[in-house]
Amino acid sequence: GESVGLHLPTLSVQEGDNSIINCAYSNSASDYFIWYKQESGKGPQFIIDIRSNMDKRQGQRVTVLLNKTVKHLSLQIAATQPGDSAVYFCAETFGTSGSRLTFGEGTQLTVNP
Amino acid sequence: EAEVAQSPRYKITEKSQAVAFWCDPISGHATLYWYRQILGQGPELLVQFQDESVVDDSQLPKDRFSAERLKGVDSTLKIQPAELGDSAMYLCASRTGNTPSGQETQYFGPGTRLLVL
Repeated sequence: GESVGLHLPTLSVQEGDNSIINCAYSNSASDYFIWYKQESGKGPQFIIDIRSNMDKRQGQRVTVLLNKTVKHLSLQIAATQPGDSAVYFCAETFGTSGSRLTFGEGTQLTVNP
Repeated sequence: EAEVAQSPRYKITEKSQAVAFWCDPISGHATLYWYRQILGQGPELLVQFQDESVVDDSQLPKDRFSAERLKGVDSTLKIQPAELGDSAMYLCASRTGNTPSGQETQYFGPGTRLLVL
């Protein structure tokens, strides 16, 4: 079925390093993608989004890259900080889905001081 | 900064009992969602409202789950009777609903963690 999956369930980095979290999606009709950060016991927090007519979008310390050819999405976090430790989910939707988001399984990012 | 409010934050109940969760979306957000998140997995949609109308409840177990948004603002999700497998985080999200294509951010509340014993 249609799903959004993640390549790695866990990622451990040193404070100050750059982090890259990957996501593969299977629905070529998806036209909107969102990255969420979820800390333990809290709801998902919006980080950054990208539409399918773009291949890159930058925010504060974060960059999302979209490769529609291979249906791949990535989240880059620059100068990773301990406060970035959380589970990161990518989510996708497409026009006829009624805005229903499909989430991947999440990647646990651990930042070591 | 406006936020989605949910209560209670935690709920422990025994199986076969009834439970109810409440959500107050960001002011002005016409679209409201209820998701269920099992530990270690991504959220899965249960029901979507546009104003007071249900637009998608295809994934809602209607034999035991019900949801309402009578005045098109806050919403209640009920489970009766609760089963052991219902233990999960129940998340509410909202968006303005002004973008028909769905290309619009959904903002999530803190969730209600349910434990059924």
